[in-house]
Amino acid sequence: EAEVAQSPRYKITEKSQAVAFWCDPISGHATLYWYRQILGQGPELLVQFQDESVVDDSQLPKDRFSAERLKGVDSTLKIQPAELGDSAMYLCASSSGTSTLETQYFGPGTRLLVL
Amino acid sequence: DAKTTQPPSMDCAEGRAANLPCNHSTISGNEYVYWYRQIHSQGPQYIIHGLKNNETNEMASLIITEDRKSSTLILPHATLRDTAVYYCIVRGGLSSGSARQLTFGSGTQLTVLP
Repeated sequence: EAEVAQSPRYKITEKSQAVAFWCDPISGHATLYWYRQILGQGPELLVQFQDESVVDDSQLPKDRFSAERLKGVDSTLKIQPAELGDSAMYLCASSSGTSTLETQYFGPGTRLLVL
Repeated sequence: DAKTTQPPSMDCAEGRAANLPCNHSTISGNEYVYWYRQIHSQGPQYIIHGLKNNETNEMASLIITEDRKSSTLILPHATLRDTAVYYCIVRGGLSSGSARQLTFGSGTQLTVLP
């Protein structure tokens, strides 16, 4: 069964450093999402791509976060500089993009700890 | 999107049915009810969704009240592997610009006891 891949699975960094997370969606999936999940809370959407275009980044802290999906396939989420409050799980999800209510499939996530 | 209310935690004995309630009293006519679950340290997993009719698949059943203000997810024979946080999500209808988005609440922590 096809899965969403994410790396690294765990990342420890010091505040003010730069970090990057990578996501490879299910093959053929046009829509890609990045979520952030703080411990004890549900995931919250950061950014949504349709192919290589950003559809919604209204919840992305653009002063320090950036996301790209240059060829409309895999995607990178970057934080620079990292702050203590960025410690969280970062989840990537993808969906086929053929229907507005299609199922989202999530990857295993990257757990970030900022010291 | 309409908000949902779920109990923070529930226990269930292994082999018994787990019934997880969700209130969504402000749901609109074209909004769907979705259920996802998240096993510890994994990404959320889709379970089932419905509009107004009851739905069943290999994982669970979804019962939606006639007024659509609440629903219940039923795991007919809970196993230890069903221990997870269960999220009830109301998702925008087809005409909604945010129809693709999922807005998660805090969910219900279901613990299946041996």
